[in-house]
Amino acid sequence: SQQGEEDPQALSIQEGENATMNCSYKTSINNLQWYRQNSGRGLVHLILIRSNEREKHSGRLRVTLDTSKKSSSLLITASRAADTASYFCATGGSEKLVFGKGTKLTVNP
Amino acid sequence: DVKVTQSSRYLVKRTGEKVFLECVQDMDHENMFWYRQDPGLGLRLIYFSYDVKMKEKGDIPEGYSVSREKKERFSLILESASTNQTSMYLCASNELGETQYFGPGTRLLVL
Repeated sequence: SQQGEEDPQALSIQEGENATMNCSYKTSINNLQWYRQNSGRGLVHLILIRSNEREKHSGRLRVTLDTSKKSSSLLITASRAADTASYFCATGGSEKLVFGKGTKLTVNP
Repeated sequence: DVKVTQSSRYLVKRTGEKVFLECVQDMDHENMFWYRQDPGLGLRLIYFSYDVKMKEKGDIPEGYSVSREKKERFSLILESASTNQTSMYLCASNELGETQYFGPGTRLLVL
């Protein structure tokens, strides 16, 4: 039962540009999380935003959450080649997380 | 730093073999999870456990079982491996509702 849906499925940009990925979900949530996965590796947690928060920053990452539209966005500013990875949103209830299918980001040097 | 380790990075097994995938976490987390990841399908939850000897089915438990005899260890068992279980298997752990910490993954090939 996939809840989060990332958009776009794939994104290709030049180094130095900003990358924006979106996530939409269907039911009420306690929090929403973003993860990154480098090719063939496990997922790494990036940021968690709670349902009563609207925006959160971590370094070059900015996450917004709009619970009225059931959507979130992840902005990576001044992208680098090392940001090339797949990015997943995950929505949490009281127990397990439900992951989307991810956005594959390619940052070209 | 939280560490989640998985017993193998790569595994090749034959159809019908019994396969054990081991996961260990060192942060005393209550919850542990097993996912499989396939192209175009994203991460799908197989089983999770919220306490020792407790287990809950996820979205795709068929063909799998799990064991959690100790808090730090969560094992995924393929009783009789089949080719459609060829996949990347990811283990994770967390405290209730919080960040999940993932292991590096086990890429399983069933021939």
